[in-house]
Amino acid sequence: DTGVSQDPRHKITKRGQNVTFRCDPISEHNRLYWYRQTLGQGPEFLTYFQNEAQLEKSRLLSDRFSAERPKGSFSTLEIQRTEQGDSAMYLCASSPTEAGEQYFGPGTRLTVT
Amino acid sequence: DAKTTQPPSMDCAEGRAANLPCNHSTISGNEYVYWYRQIHSQGPQYIIHGLKNNETNEMASLIITEDRKSSTLILPHATLRDTAVYYCIVRVAYRDDKIIFGKGTRLHILP
Repeated sequence: DTGVSQDPRHKITKRGQNVTFRCDPISEHNRLYWYRQTLGQGPEFLTYFQNEAQLEKSRLLSDRFSAERPKGSFSTLEIQRTEQGDSAMYLCASSPTEAGEQYFGPGTRLTVT
Repeated sequence: DAKTTQPPSMDCAEGRAANLPCNHSTISGNEYVYWYRQIHSQGPQYIIHGLKNNETNEMASLIITEDRKSSTLILPHATLRDTAVYYCIVRVAYRDDKIIFGKGTRLHILP
């Protein structure tokens, strides 16, 4: 078990550019979650999947954000037309059962200049 | 919004027990108390959870008051590697999926 992995670990982009992050959950975990964390705050829920179905989206997830989990394995989170306010750590977590313990990846730190 | 209240920061001497308090006065009967911690530049790590009985695992002990309105996470022999932000969370196990984090307690272990 290699844990949840995220790629890239760091991303610097210019305002207005599109970025895509990838998350690989622990194998056989059917639930996958995305959170966002800004400096000094706890992580905030963005969205989650059960297998390939996206079951809930936070109001924080504006229409510039889209997440997918094709085939119920890895997931991608895309941000279009990035803004400086999107600068944050984007965390992915997976869980083997409904509301079981969630196992977090190391995160992708996004800096929008 | 988070349903828990924690002190923003605490200090503990290395080798001593670290006792982290959490208030959750509005906890419902079917809500569990979970603890996670986040070491700098890493994702949160699950520590322990409980409903009403005290719980212990290899990382920590969780003491929940009889009225369930507060709890204490105990790290029995704190080391420098325990320096982290500790989050106390209440959630309905096996129904709630998302975790609602507060700001947590920043624990400093002093050498």
